[in-house]
Amino acid sequence: TQLLEQSPQFLSIQEGENLTVYCNSSSVFSSLQWYRQEPGEGPVLLVTVVTGGEVKKLKRLTFQFGDARKDSSLHITAAQTGDTGLYLCAVPGNTGNQFYFGTGTSLTVIP
Amino acid sequence: DAGITQSPRHKVTETGTPVTLRCHQTENHRYMYWYRQDPGHGLRLIHYSYGVKDTDKGEVSDGYSVSRSKTEDFLLTLESATSSQTSVYFCAISEIYNEQFFGPGTRLTVL
Repeated sequence: TQLLEQSPQFLSIQEGENLTVYCNSSSVFSSLQWYRQEPGEGPVLLVTVVTGGEVKKLKRLTFQFGDARKDSSLHITAAQTGDTGLYLCAVPGNTGNQFYFGTGTSLTVIP
Repeated sequence: DAGITQSPRHKVTETGTPVTLRCHQTENHRYMYWYRQDPGHGLRLIHYSYGVKDTDKGEVSDGYSVSRSKTEDFLLTLESATSSQTSVYFCAISEIYNEQFFGPGTRLTVL
């Protein structure tokens, strides 16, 4: 059983469109991270959210942590080809030293 | 970019042979991690280290061992490689638990 469920698994959109991807769980977390991974490279941290209901913006990317701290969403406005990649969410384990990742959403932005 | 290198970047080996992957950091971060990434499973933690000679198992540690004799180096060893260990392996480092930096990955194929 996957601790973190990400949806959709694959998403292909035209440049300029908006999109939202989700990271869901039945567990409560102290924090949640979003990473982007480009082909052939390691994941890169985009943001960490720690407070229920928190919204963080990173240029055209908007991240929201659910009120109950069980889920999160990532919204991209006016997608660009440079947004193409695998988007992963991650949460810390009970000890805080381990991390658990979702299976990711693979986003392709078509010019 | 955080100073993390992995070697080799690509390796093809045969079933039953030993394999060692190396992760080297220049950031003096305390925590180091080994993950494997497979389609449909996302990133899964194999082992991690919280200091020199201090290591612990992750969720998929069977068939793998690690060693950390210096702050900057974290080695992952497959004592007897199997085809199920064909994967992309990522090393990550962290100084605080909610921010990881990943290396470029090692693509391992076991025939």
